[in-house]
Amino acid sequence: EVQLVESGGGLVQPGGSLRLSCAAAGFTFSSYAMSWVRQAPGKGLEWVSVIPGSGDRTYYADSVKGRFTISRDNSKNTLYLQMNSLRAEDTAVYYCAKQSGGSCYLGSDYWGQGILVTVSS
Amino acid sequence: DIVMTQSPDSLAGSLGERATIDCKSSQSVLYSSNNKNYLAWYQRKPGQPPKLLIYWASTRESGVPDRFSGSGSGTDFTLTISSLQAEDVAVYYCQQYYSIPFTFGPGTKVEIK
Repeated sequence: EVQLVESGGGLVQPGGSLRLSCAAAGFTFSSYAMSWVRQAPGKGLEWVSVIPGSGDRTYYADSVKGRFTISRDNSKNTLYLQMNSLRAEDTAVYYCAKQSGGSCYLGSDYWGQGILVTVSS
Repeated sequence: DIVMTQSPDSLAGSLGERATIDCKSSQSVLYSSNNKNYLAWYQRKPGQPPKLLIYWASTRESGVPDRFSGSGSGTDFTLTISSLQAEDVAVYYCQQYYSIPFTFGPGTKVEIK
């Protein structure tokens, strides 16, 4: 059974940093691209970032480019999102999602339960 | 960036009624080399993460009831629920994965009358 469990969220002041983790199980982690998607309160889904199974390329939404870094440790079956220079508008539930294959250019077939990040003073 | 729009914003249907949701992309998401539309549909129930329903615009994900179907090509797509059930109450999103950033539509809220 595929399991994705996010951790590392919480309350942070504007300008601060957080690192989200997503522990994966139930599939060959290194064979699948992984992504982060967020949903701000009262808003729709916003794609944030994606990384292929090899981890050799990364892609970002313009809203987070230069501030967020996606990475993965295939030896630990874990996906990360390092979030720096956080802004109030980054407040959202962050979901880690598994792409349905090795390519980034696929739908997301499994999602974690999400983790809340609140940016506020 | 490819902009995704959806209509209607919300719909309320009776049990057993047919429901359709339209999704339009600001440019084609059909990749000519493989003739695939890079378009997915997700269902989001309250308190749950999104669930993949349809990918490649018309391929149903394993385990998804066959009352859900996807159609369309290029820039115009439709999600159809052939016979609305109580458990279908949710927000439905389309997403293009043709070009980065992978953008979502704003969502369509489906309710039961």
